[in-house]
Amino acid sequence: KAGVTQTPRYLIKTRGQQVTLSCPPISGHRSVSWYQQTPGQGLQFLFEYFSETQRNKGNFPGRFSGRQFSNSRSEMNVSTLELGDSALYLCASSFGVGGAGNTIYFGEGSWLTVV
Amino acid sequence: AQSVTQPDIHITVSEGASLELRCNYSYGATPYLFWYVQSPGQGLQLLLKYFSGDTLVQGIKGFEAEFKRSQSSFNLRKPSVHWSDAAEYFCAVSGNQFYFGTGTSLTVIP
Repeated sequence: KAGVTQTPRYLIKTRGQQVTLSCPPISGHRSVSWYQQTPGQGLQFLFEYFSETQRNKGNFPGRFSGRQFSNSRSEMNVSTLELGDSALYLCASSFGVGGAGNTIYFGEGSWLTVV
Repeated sequence: AQSVTQPDIHITVSEGASLELRCNYSYGATPYLFWYVQSPGQGLQLLLKYFSGDTLVQGIKGFEAEFKRSQSSFNLRKPSVHWSDAAEYFCAVSGNQFYFGTGTSLTVIP
C-alpha cells in the first residue's frame, strides 16, 4: 500500500512567519498524528486527529495547531515562527486511534528551517 | 505513567557481529510494543511489533525482539549486522498514545 507522503519536504521560513504542513494518511486510515523531532529533544508528540476531532495533544504552545478534513487529510500550522521551531515534523497514519494497539506508519517528514 | 527507556545512546558494532539494543518500558497493563528504525533524513520505518502471544517476534531486515514481562524489557536483536543497518532505532510503547524512547544510534564498522 502507498505510504504517507508529507508535503512540503523542505522549507525555509523567516521568524515571525507561519507555516502549514500537509499529511494525507494511508488510504483507509482515519487517524493522523504529528511529531516534532529535534536533536536535543528527540521525538515529541504534538497532537492526534481522528475523524476530524483532536483526540490528544502534547505539551506545545498554542502557536502549534492542526486540523483534519473529512477525507482524513491533516494539516499542521505553526504561527509566529521562532528559531527553536526548526525541526523535522513527522506525520504518522493509523487505521484507528494511535494507541490501543493500532500501528502507526510514518511519512518521511517535513524539514523546517527558521532563519 | 507510560514511558520508554533506551539506555544506550550510541552503539558501535563491526559488520557481521551480533547486535542487541535495549529497551525498557513502564506501563500498567499489557503493553503494545514497537521498534522503529530511522535512516538519516528519513521518517521512521516499522521494524516489528508485539501485541500478545509468542514473546519472540520476528520483523523485517532480519531483526527480532523478545518481550520479557518480568524485566519490563523488549530488546531488539540481529545475529549479523550489515553496514546498511547503521541508523537510529526507536523503541515505543502504545497506551492512549505512543511513547517513544530517545533512540539508539547504531554505527557499523566495516
